[in-house]
Amino acid sequence: EPEVTQTPSHQVTQMGQEVILRCVPISNHLYFYWYRQILGQKVEFLVSFYNNEISEKSEIFDDQFSVERPDGSNFTLKIRSTKLEDSAMYFCASSPTGSNQPQHFGDGTRLSIL
Amino acid sequence: RKEVEQDPGPFNVPEGATVAFNCTYSNSASQSFFWYRQDCRKEPKLLMSVYSSGNEDGRFTAQLNRASQYISLLIRDSKLSDSATYLCVGDNYGQNFVFGPGTRLSVLP
Repeated sequence: EPEVTQTPSHQVTQMGQEVILRCVPISNHLYFYWYRQILGQKVEFLVSFYNNEISEKSEIFDDQFSVERPDGSNFTLKIRSTKLEDSAMYFCASSPTGSNQPQHFGDGTRLSIL
Repeated sequence: RKEVEQDPGPFNVPEGATVAFNCTYSNSASQSFFWYRQDCRKEPKLLMSVYSSGNEDGRFTAQLNRASQYISLLIRDSKLSDSATYLCVGDNYGQNFVFGPGTRLSVLP
């Protein structure tokens, strides 16, 4: 069964450094998402991406965040200058056609900011 | 603010028991609903979609009541492997998902 894959599984970074989290969505899916989950809290939406542009973003997704689909397979989330409160699990998800469809999640990147 | 609410639990039940979870949502425009399960420190995995007519998948039954903005999940004959957190999810105008905080289930031997 096709899967969403994410790398790295764990990233440890000093505060103020830039990080790039990588995702390979399922190949025939057209909608891509990033979510985060702070330890002990609920999963929160960050951004959705379709047709090479952001289709929606939450208030969490401020100017420190950006997303990119640099080639036909990768989908990346960049955090420009990390803060302690960015420590969380970051999940990438994809769906075939967007609305009304289940989203399939990768196994996440645990980001730890020191 | 569009929210999905769940009883966080934990629900501790013996093997073989039937357990029901409830969920309410505030966005009356939400069209699609799902139940996901999440094991500790793992990704959410789709359990089932939820339809107005109600749907069943083996031991799992989901129901949607749009008038009351209420969703339920029933697990029959619970197994040890059902121990997890169950996430109620609604769409936000079809653009993204709004997750509930999850209900923790422990099935005891």
